[in-house]
Amino acid sequence: DAMVIQNPRYQVTQFGKPVTLSCSQTLNHNVMYWYQQKSSQAPKLLFHYYDKDFNNEADTPDNFQSRRPNTSFCFLDIRSPGLGDAAMYLCATSRGGAGDEKLFFGSGTQLSVL
Amino acid sequence: LAKTTQPISMDSYEGQEVNITCSHNNIATNDYITWYQQFPSQGPRFIIQGYKTKVTNEVASLFIPADRKSSTLSLPRVSLSDTAVYYCLVGVDYGQNFVFGPGTRLSVLP
Repeated sequence: DAMVIQNPRYQVTQFGKPVTLSCSQTLNHNVMYWYQQKSSQAPKLLFHYYDKDFNNEADTPDNFQSRRPNTSFCFLDIRSPGLGDAAMYLCATSRGGAGDEKLFFGSGTQLSVL
Repeated sequence: LAKTTQPISMDSYEGQEVNITCSHNNIATNDYITWYQQFPSQGPRFIIQGYKTKVTNEVASLFIPADRKSSTLSLPRVSLSDTAVYYCLVGVDYGQNFVFGPGTRLSVLP
């Protein structure tokens, strides 16, 4: 089945130690998104790629970076994680057309910062 | 961007029909209305999408009045497993339109 896969499911890092989360998709979608979701809150859009074009949300901290080396993969880099960065990180994809766009999410990576 | 307003929480009992209404007063002509369901520790999952009138699938129905300023997600005969957060999103294009509001936390009681 076509899907969005996030690895790892759980990630523990130390305060200030860089961490990378990965996402892959078999849907061949043009757009890939990264969301941050903290406990009991809605997912918050960090940035997205349309193909190779990167689009950053205005309030996304500089500490968060992303890479998309090819259509299938997208990475979220947190350069110096703080305690406030502990959250579920969700990757999603969409076709990238207009009109009836739908988001397809992975299962997320739960990040803990010690 | 069309903003959405939903009730923060709802309670229901097993076997009842649940209706969750979303207000989107400034919806644009080309905007679609999409609902997602999210269980704890999982990513949101697409439930249903519509543009006008009524849409039904195996999971839910979506009712959209003629003025399209609101929409109602209808879940028939809910079970305990329908306990989740439900998000209404309005938009047409990728990217910035996919901003989630607080959603509605549905609790289904036995």
